[in-house]
Amino acid sequence: GNSVTQMEGPVTLSEEAFLTINCTYTATGYPSLFWYVQYPGEGLQLLLKATKADDKGSNKGFEATYRKETTSFHLEKGSVQVSDSAVYFCALRNTDKLIFGTGTRLQVFP
Amino acid sequence: SQTIHQWPATLVQPVGSPLSLECTVEGTSNPNLYWYRQAAGRGLQLLFYSVGIGQISSEVPQNLSASRPQDRQFILSSKKLLLSDSGFYLCAWSSQRSSTDTQYFGPGTRLTVL
Repeated sequence: GNSVTQMEGPVTLSEEAFLTINCTYTATGYPSLFWYVQYPGEGLQLLLKATKADDKGSNKGFEATYRKETTSFHLEKGSVQVSDSAVYFCALRNTDKLIFGTGTRLQVFP
Repeated sequence: SQTIHQWPATLVQPVGSPLSLECTVEGTSNPNLYWYRQAAGRGLQLLFYSVGIGQISSEVPQNLSASRPQDRQFILSSKKLLLSDSGFYLCAWSSQRSSTDTQYFGPGTRLTVL
């Protein structure tokens, strides 16, 4: 079956630190991969996506590369800001449905 | 451009009362529509999805139901709420063109059952 596994949080960083949030997946076929972000009290917003192997999605300084050989889609940012504090969800889609990971809370302190 | 609306934004209901949450999408036609629930501190659980009017697929057995009376309207209902129904309910849409298309989420409804 299809599933997504994310590292458990919370991830606590100081401002300007390097961020990695790990995501691995199990899927049949060739899924598309997504990172969504949820700011406190809000719905989910698409952060970035990649639709085929070796694609790199990027947005707002965040990046993730679709690695088929390791079935991974790790989220990275070189220098986090306090405003990046949120919950980050990794997801895959290869049918009409999105399969989400459990989410990773990021807390950035000044 | 497309927009998705949900209401109400927050709701406090007693156990055993009925529920109706509404979601509407503007600026697109024949979308796929989805209801998710996010319990406190947990991930998202897909509850229902619909590929067309009157077509509803249920992902988990529960006391909730969904209906799609119009192309861009998706309603989540319950006849009798349980305490465990508390959570953050998110509606989403995507186009039916391709499985790579993004799902776009509404602002959510926070439901507290007392």
